[in-house]
Amino acid sequence: DVKVTQSSRYLVKRTGEKVFLECVQDMDHENMFWYRQDPGLGLRLIYFSYDVKMKEKGDIPEGYSVSREKKERFSLILESASTNQTSMYLCASRTLVGGETQYFGPGTRLLVL
Amino acid sequence: QKEVEQNSGPLSVPEGAIASLNCTYSDRGSQSFFWYRQYSGKSPELIMSIYSNGDKEDGRFTAQLNKASQYVSLLIRDSQPSDSATYLCAVRGTNTGFQKLVFGTGTRLLVSP
Repeated sequence: DVKVTQSSRYLVKRTGEKVFLECVQDMDHENMFWYRQDPGLGLRLIYFSYDVKMKEKGDIPEGYSVSREKKERFSLILESASTNQTSMYLCASRTLVGGETQYFGPGTRLLVL
Repeated sequence: QKEVEQNSGPLSVPEGAIASLNCTYSDRGSQSFFWYRQYSGKSPELIMSIYSNGDKEDGRFTAQLNKASQYVSLLIRDSQPSDSATYLCAVRGTNTGFQKLVFGTGTRLLVSP
């Protein structure tokens, strides 16, 4: 079974703090994604990585950066957290071998005060 | 126009009935289509993928794709209360340089006993 894990289920941070969200997958998938999910707006792609050290901006990259130093790990960084970054953050991984199934982690609910 | 559109619902059906969920998309060249189920407080999980026109059946689920009309639907036969969830339609288009999925905002399904 594919397993995608995220470092925290719930986080509370203060405005201006630097926030690290980590995601680890155990299936040697090439592609990894960070989304945020907000009511009425659905899933929006923040960043995508198609391989180690490779990254692409998604639809809403402003205020975020990412790091992928190892294939299994994809980190999302909020450089200076703001209240409008309060959201559910979902990591996903995917292999294109045998289909395009994208597997999601359990999510991190971030509250920025 | 949104790239992927779904009625937010809720769609209410009695137990044992057929639930019909619909999704339209704007990119005529889209190639891959997915239905994800998301329970409240949980992350999305893939339930169906479809790539060619017609129907694809998997247990109680049938995905239907009509590329000419640019819609994809999900039928759930013999609906159960455990099917109550939000169903997300996702589409991989041709104008996405790194093969990202575009998600609809989801349809909430309520199955009453």
